[in-house]
Amino acid sequence: GAGVSQSPSNKVTEKGKDVELRCDPISGHTALYWYRQSLGQGLEFLIYFQGNSAPDKSGLPSDRFSAERTGGSVSTLTIQRTQQEDSAVYLCASSSQGEYNEQFFGPGTRLTVL
Amino acid sequence: AQSVAQPEDQVNVAEGNPLTVKCTYSVSGNPYLFWYVQYPNRGLQFLLKYITGDNLVKGSYGFEAEFNKSQTSFHLKKPSALVSDSALYFCAVRVRSSASKIIFGSGTRLSIRP
Repeated sequence: GAGVSQSPSNKVTEKGKDVELRCDPISGHTALYWYRQSLGQGLEFLIYFQGNSAPDKSGLPSDRFSAERTGGSVSTLTIQRTQQEDSAVYLCASSSQGEYNEQFFGPGTRLTVL
Repeated sequence: AQSVAQPEDQVNVAEGNPLTVKCTYSVSGNPYLFWYVQYPNRGLQFLLKYITGDNLVKGSYGFEAEFNKSQTSFHLKKPSALVSDSALYFCAVRVRSSASKIIFGSGTRLSIRP
């Protein structure tokens, strides 16, 4: 398909384990965002990649969270030493170059930390 | 600093009646403004955006929004609500000519009763 894809769709892990969440943006999209959404609530911004610029990491809640984007395409969000409060749906979005362009969202990864 | 406010957590409307979902913003420059919708158990979808020109913007599913610069608002409207419009709606803003991220409001849950 031509949309944003995320994997896995669901992830259940034990407290203290590390997890990796993957996002495949739409081909050619230069901007990529990660958000967190708890129980159908608002979107919490995590990190923003734009082309080759340094990412905006201002939304990462702690140093347990990190993200990278390889080759300007696929992105991985890593959460180390997961805590129960990390349980949420993690959403990825991408957009084409142009600050007025809308975002296309993936289906999300539902993370449950036991 | 940029911010977006959606003052109503929930809006309840009878089917067939007009609906309004409110959004106000605060930015240091001129904004691009967006509305997104999240249907139950589905991903976020783009509805409409304001870039420039006509203050009344028309989007998907019969929705429209009016940009009001003096009131710094971008309220979402529909002349006649459908039960299928029931969803979570998000307003978002981005400052023009900046590399800044898009900022989302906290969301408004719209409930249309038959």
